[in-house]
Amino acid sequence: EDQVTQSPEALRLQEGESSSLNCSYTVSGLRGLFWYRQDPGKGPEFLFTLYSAGEEKEKERLKATLTKKESFLHITAPKPEDSATYLCAVQASPNNNDMRFGAGTRLTVKP
Amino acid sequence: KAGVTQTPRYLIKTRGQQVTLSCSPISGHRSVSWYQQTPGQGLQFLFEYFSETQRNKGNFPGRFSGRQFSNSRSEMNVSTLELGDSALYLCASSNLHSNTEAFFGQGTRLTVV
Repeated sequence: EDQVTQSPEALRLQEGESSSLNCSYTVSGLRGLFWYRQDPGKGPEFLFTLYSAGEEKEKERLKATLTKKESFLHITAPKPEDSATYLCAVQASPNNNDMRFGAGTRLTVKP
Repeated sequence: KAGVTQTPRYLIKTRGQQVTLSCSPISGHRSVSWYQQTPGQGLQFLFEYFSETQRNKGNFPGRFSGRQFSNSRSEMNVSTLELGDSALYLCASSNLHSNTEAFFGQGTRLTVV
């Protein structure tokens, strides 16, 4: 069965303290891996899609990487506004768009 | 470009009642997926509609149903509401092909009392 595990569950950083979030997955044929950011009471906001091992994507202070077993979301010099829950999801089925989500990492960045 | 619109934003219902939630996808998107988000279970896939046809369904009881109209707008219905149905219901739209990013609406917060 497809599984997505995110770690850590929660992460507290000081402003400017870089770190990484992990998403490990087990799927029978990865079609795509997605990163979303979710603020309390709001819907997830799309960040990145990764399709194959070795792929990397960047956006401002965020960089996502992908291997055959896991993905990392690197946060460089975070700011308090980066505080949110970061969700990882995988898509395995070739003919539809359902995604299997991890439980998320709740990131808090203190000024 | 307008985003995904979900209505209503908040809803309070009594056990045993039924509820209908609405989702208008991004213009041009034909795939609409529904998810339930709870603190204990996280985000769980309910079903996906594409061109008015249900393409895939998650592991939820038959009380949960949906449909999609010719303009790609979608509705989901929950009958005989239970306390455990209290959740944030999220709709996501994506374009024609699979493996592309899905964009979420703000969700409908359903509280069953």
